[in-house]
Amino acid sequence: DGGITQSPKYLFRKEGQNVTLSCEQNLNHDAMYWYRQDPGQGLRLIYYSQIVNDFQKGDIAEGYSVSREKKESFPLTVTSAQKNPTAFYLCASNHLPEHNEQFFGPGTRLTVL
Amino acid sequence: DAKTTQPTSMDCAEGRAANLPCNHSTISGNEYVYWYRQIHSQGPQYIIHGLKNNETNEMASLIITEDRKSSTLILPHATLRDTAVYYCIGYNAGGTSYGKLTFGQGTILTVHP
Repeated sequence: DGGITQSPKYLFRKEGQNVTLSCEQNLNHDAMYWYRQDPGQGLRLIYYSQIVNDFQKGDIAEGYSVSREKKESFPLTVTSAQKNPTAFYLCASNHLPEHNEQFFGPGTRLTVL
Repeated sequence: DAKTTQPTSMDCAEGRAANLPCNHSTISGNEYVYWYRQIHSQGPQYIIHGLKNNETNEMASLIITEDRKSSTLILPHATLRDTAVYYCIGYNAGGTSYGKLTFGQGTILTVHP
């Protein structure tokens, strides 16, 4: 099946630890995205990448880092510099350029204790 | 991209049409209207998009007013599984926001038996 996967579904970490969230897609999509969602809120864009080895900051990039070494993979690291890391993290991918139908993964719920 | 305004919540009876409005009075001429929905604790799902003509697919219909300042998403026969948050998003492929979608808080649609 073609799709986008995120792992793990639930993640718990102690405050001050870095944590990396996985996102993999086998849709052969060029672009990939990371969003954060807080309870009762819409999605906010953290980082996005339109091509391998290139990525751009979104609206709330501080405290996060990404890499795009392979087309199918776009891991997100939540660093200890992120002040409120507890949230629901969603990864998405799509073909560009004109039609912006993004395909989303199931999400990772991160809780920092 | 245009700011969109949606009601916070709406109810609909199962089997009836659900009509979800969206205002986008500042939309530019080459800006599309996209609709996504998010079922609780899942990633968002693309529904439909349009520029100025009305559009229909297997999920929904999109009616855009002639002046393009507002639109309505229609789910013709709502089911309980259509209970979700519905997001109306303005997207300009040629702008500086290329590839980026801005999710507001959306409309919580509750379909009841």
